[in-house]
Amino acid sequence: GDSVTQMEGPVTLSEEAFLTINCTYTATGYPSLFWYVQYPGEGLQLLLKATKADDKGSNKGFEATYRKETTSFHLEKGSVQVSDSAVYFCAPAAGGTSYGKLTFGQGTILTVHP
Amino acid sequence: DTGVSQDPRHKITKRGQNVTFRCDPISEHNRLYWYRQTLGQGPEFLTYFQNEAQLEKSRLLSDRFSAERPKGSFSTLEIQRTEQGDSAMYLCASSSDGIRGQYFGPGTRLTVT
Repeated sequence: GDSVTQMEGPVTLSEEAFLTINCTYTATGYPSLFWYVQYPGEGLQLLLKATKADDKGSNKGFEATYRKETTSFHLEKGSVQVSDSAVYFCAPAAGGTSYGKLTFGQGTILTVHP
Repeated sequence: DTGVSQDPRHKITKRGQNVTFRCDPISEHNRLYWYRQTLGQGPEFLTYFQNEAQLEKSRLLSDRFSAERPKGSFSTLEIQRTEQGDSAMYLCASSSDGIRGQYFGPGTRLTVT
């Protein structure tokens, strides 16, 4: 089945620092790829997505590029804010009869200090 | 668009009791998914519906678990004879297709004592 390996956390950064959270996956075919974010005390929110190779998803200053050759979808942000403190999850979506089923990584906790 | 809603938000039950959770998806979404999330882990897939048809069930879903989606609208997840290991956050999500992403509800936190 599909699987995801995320960069282990927790990640602690100062405000305005550069962020990278690594994500690699194994999946059948060419799944759509997603990053979800879970802010403290809140539900999962879709952060960004990419549906085919070389696509770049972006939202709220975050970016991730679908790299088919390395089966990766690393999340980046040029300048983090305290409000970005949250848990980030990478998730490919299955195809075929499981169409759309998400497989989540273990999550990466990000803490940003002022 | 009021988003995905779940009820109840919290449920405390004694081991051996039955519990039922409800999920109301975004109205125009025909796909509905259930996941379970334990502390410090990512959500794990349980089952999914396209309209009223249950198309896949995870091996995680023992015979004590059953889910329905009558008329392709809201869905219910029932756990019979609850065990302490069932304690988790149960998440519902809906989508219009498989590639645009799923939208999650706030979850139902189940505690089995």
